[in-house]
Amino acid sequence: GNSVTQMEGPVTLSEEAFLTINCTYTATGYPSLFWYVQYPGEGLQLLLKATKADDKGSNKGFEATYRKETTSFHLEKGSVQVSDSAVYFCALRRFGGNTPLVFGKGTRLSVIA
Amino acid sequence: DTGVSQNPRHKITKRGQNVTFRCDPISEHNRLYWYRQTLGQGPEFLTYFQNEAQLEKSRLLSDRFSAERPKGSFSTLEIQRTEQGDSAMYLCASSRTSGQNQETQYFGPGTRLLVL
Repeated sequence: GNSVTQMEGPVTLSEEAFLTINCTYTATGYPSLFWYVQYPGEGLQLLLKATKADDKGSNKGFEATYRKETTSFHLEKGSVQVSDSAVYFCALRRFGGNTPLVFGKGTRLSVIA
Repeated sequence: DTGVSQNPRHKITKRGQNVTFRCDPISEHNRLYWYRQTLGQGPEFLTYFQNEAQLEKSRLLSDRFSAERPKGSFSTLEIQRTEQGDSAMYLCASSRTSGQNQETQYFGPGTRLLVL
C-alpha cells in the first residue's frame, strides 16, 4: 500500500540554523509528493509540491527534491526563523489525478531566538 | 478564493449522541475530501466526492459515519451513536480537476470533536 514515513520530532533549532526533515515513501506507480505546514492555531497549508522524479519544489526558502531512486522527499531550509515554528507534514497522492492524500505523522519544529 | 470553511469549529457531545459537521468548499472546486486527524498523527482519509458523487470511502468510515454532498457544493459528515474513539479533528479539503492549481487540496480549519 501507500505510506509515508517522516522523522519524528520535536525538532528544536536555533534561529538561522539549517533544517532537514526527512521523508520517505512507499507507493505503487508514480505519486505526487507534498509538504504541508500547520502553524499554531491554523489549518493545513500547502508549502510545496513535486509531481515527478527529480522535480524540486520550493517556497518561502524551503526546498524538497523528488528522489525516485531513494523514494525520498526531504524538506530543507538553509536558515530557519522563529516564524517557521510549526508542524510539517509530508504527503503523497497516488498517481492518476485528484486522489486522496496519504500523510506522514508530522514533525513539530520549534525555532528559538 | 474565500477558502474552505467548516462549521462548527468545536463540538462537545456525550457518547451515544449524533453529530453533524458541515464543510463549504472553495467555490467551483468540484472535489471535496474529508479527513480525520487525531493528536500526534497526520490526517487520515475518510471519503471524497466529485460533485455530488461519493467516489471512495476509507475502511476507517464505519457504518456510523455518513457523508453527503447533495448539490455538489457543501458537504455534511454525520456520526451516529458517537463513541469516545471518535474524538478527533475532522478536516475538509477541496480541489479542482482542471485549471490553475488543479489537484492541490486546500484545507479548512477543521471541526474539533470531543466525545465525553
